[in-house]
Order: sequence, then structure tokens, then C-alpha cells
Amino acid sequence: EAGVTQSPRYAVLQEGQAVSFWCDPISGHDTLYWYQQPRDQGPQLLVYFRDEAVIDNSQLPSDRFSAVRPKGTNSTLKIQSAKQGDTATYLCASSPGTGGDEQYFGPGTRLTVL
Amino acid sequence: QQQVRQSPQSLTVWEGETAILNCSYEDSTFDYFPWYRLFPGESPALLIAIRPVSNKKEDGRFTIFFNKREKKLSLHITDSQPGDSATYFCAARYTGNYKYVFGAGTRLKVIA
Repeated sequence: EAGVTQSPRYAVLQEGQAVSFWCDPISGHDTLYWYQQPRDQGPQLLVYFRDEAVIDNSQLPSDRFSAVRPKGTNSTLKIQSAKQGDTATYLCASSPGTGGDEQYFGPGTRLTVL
Repeated sequence: QQQVRQSPQSLTVWEGETAILNCSYEDSTFDYFPWYRLFPGESPALLIAIRPVSNKKEDGRFTIFFNKREKKLSLHITDSQPGDSATYFCAARYTGNYKYVFGAGTRLKVIA
């Protein structure tokens, strides 16, 4: 069974540039999470979906961040105008939702904003 | 207010010793507490988890002790090995949904 895949693995931007991260969850997993993990900190939830619906995006900086999961499978997280404070690893995770407890994490995208 | 706290921030033990990693939480509505292990360059992976109906969960050398009244739990790693060197995250999930909160992690180093 393929795991959670993410791309790109690395991104380096200047402040003000835009970037998109892509996530392909494990097949059949209805719940998908995006986390931001600053260096030396734990993952911090940005947004999560059940199928195509946003369940909680209260921690997503809505002025610059957006996330979609249009068909309830793959998902894209976009930063419109990156800031140095956005430097972090962005992790995608999926879980079976009502079918199980475990979250499975992707390899992450390491973002550096100069 | 940080919902999940971990201590110590870093821990060094000798090979063969027991490493004890602590976690505390604020919200009584959490219903599931997984511990994740993160090796450098990899993604977090589930190590062991417990629900509040239990006060202990064992899996090989890894044991979670859970104190619901004090809102504390700890991960004990017995017979620590250099290969256990990693960052360990305590997490908590809210009842009724699938939202997780993570602690800041404990960086464990096991010296041979």
C-alpha cells in the first residue's frame, strides 16, 4: 500500500512569492490534515478535511494561506505571499477517519523563505 | 495556552537505561493520546497510543502510563538503545472529531 506522498520535498522562496504544496493521501482515507512544523517544535494543525469538506481551518492564516481538496482525494495548500515566519516543514497526514485512529504522515515539504 | 506540554525538552540516557518522557494536557475532552517518533529526515510515525479508559499500555520496550485525574501521561522506554535516539511527540485528539494537538517534543539521545 502506497503511503502519503507530498511534493515538492523542498522549496526556497523570497518573501512575497507564492508557493503550492501538493498531497496525495492513502487511498480510501477520508480525513486529510495539513500541519506546519517550525524547527524544533511540534506539528501545528493548519486545516483538516473530511472528504472534500473543510472541518476545521481555524488555525489557517486566511489572508495568505488556502487549502482545497476538491474531489476528496488529493489536496493543495497554497501560500499567496510568503513571509520569513512561514519557514517550516509542511506535513500532510491522512487517516481512515471513522474507520481507524492512526494518522499516517507524508515526508513533508521543507520551506525556506529568505 | 498550550494544550499539550512535554518535558523535558531534551533527554540523554545511557544504553540500557530507562528513558522517561512526560506529557500533560489541559482539555478533559481529549479521548486518544498517541505518541509519535520522528527520526531526522523522516516523517512522524505512530509509536504507541492510549485511551483514557486505560491507565497503562505496553508494546515491547515502550509503555505509556496514564493518570487521568492529574491529566498526565508518560512514555517509558526500557533498555534504551542508540537506535531509539529521535524526537518523541505526545499528541491528543479531541472527542467527537479527529482534530489533534501536538506537544513540542522531547529530543532523546541514547549514548552507547
